[in-house]
Amino acid sequence: EDQVTQSPEALRLQEGESSSLNCSYTVSGLRGLFWYRQDPGKGPEFLFTLYSAGEEKEKERLKATLTKKESFLHITAPKPEDSATYLCAVQSGDKFYFGSGTKLNVKP
Amino acid sequence: DGGITQSPKYLFRKEGQNVTLSCEQNLNHDAMYWYRQDPGQGLRLIYYSQIVNDFQKGDIAEGYSVSREKKESFPLTVTSAQKNPTAFYLCASSIPRDTQYFGPGTRLTVL
Repeated sequence: EDQVTQSPEALRLQEGESSSLNCSYTVSGLRGLFWYRQDPGKGPEFLFTLYSAGEEKEKERLKATLTKKESFLHITAPKPEDSATYLCAVQSGDKFYFGSGTKLNVKP
Repeated sequence: DGGITQSPKYLFRKEGQNVTLSCEQNLNHDAMYWYRQDPGQGLRLIYYSQIVNDFQKGDIAEGYSVSREKKESFPLTVTSAQKNPTAFYLCASSIPRDTQYFGPGTRLTVL
């Protein structure tokens, strides 16, 4: 069964304290892995797409990496405005499977 | 200014009532999707459409219906057969088999 698991469920960081979020998956025929940011009461905002193991992408304080079994979203020196829920999704065939997200809280 | 719009932002439904959620996109995307989001759970796929006049059931299609008469529009009807409809509903669009982009969502509450 296709499945996506994100950990931890919640993460509290001090401003400037770097950390990583994990997304592990079991799907047949991975077409792509996607990271989104979601603020309360809003739709997910696209961050990154990764297509193959070994691929990395960066945007400001965020860096996403992909292996054959999991992806990491690294957050370097986070700021309070990085507080949000981060969602991971994988595509298999025509369908997308989402994890339940990691809720990140960055304290000043 | 391209994007995806959903309306209304908030919707209230009485018992036994059907309601329709609107989703419009001007990104010229062929594929459109409807998801449901409940607290602490991942997004669950309700219906999706890869092309006009064609759509497929997702994982939780019971109690919902859709139409795809125009490329830009993919309305979702929540019927009275859906016993637990209170949730946050998200519409997305994409080039087929590529990155999905989401609308702002509609929060549906059953009175």
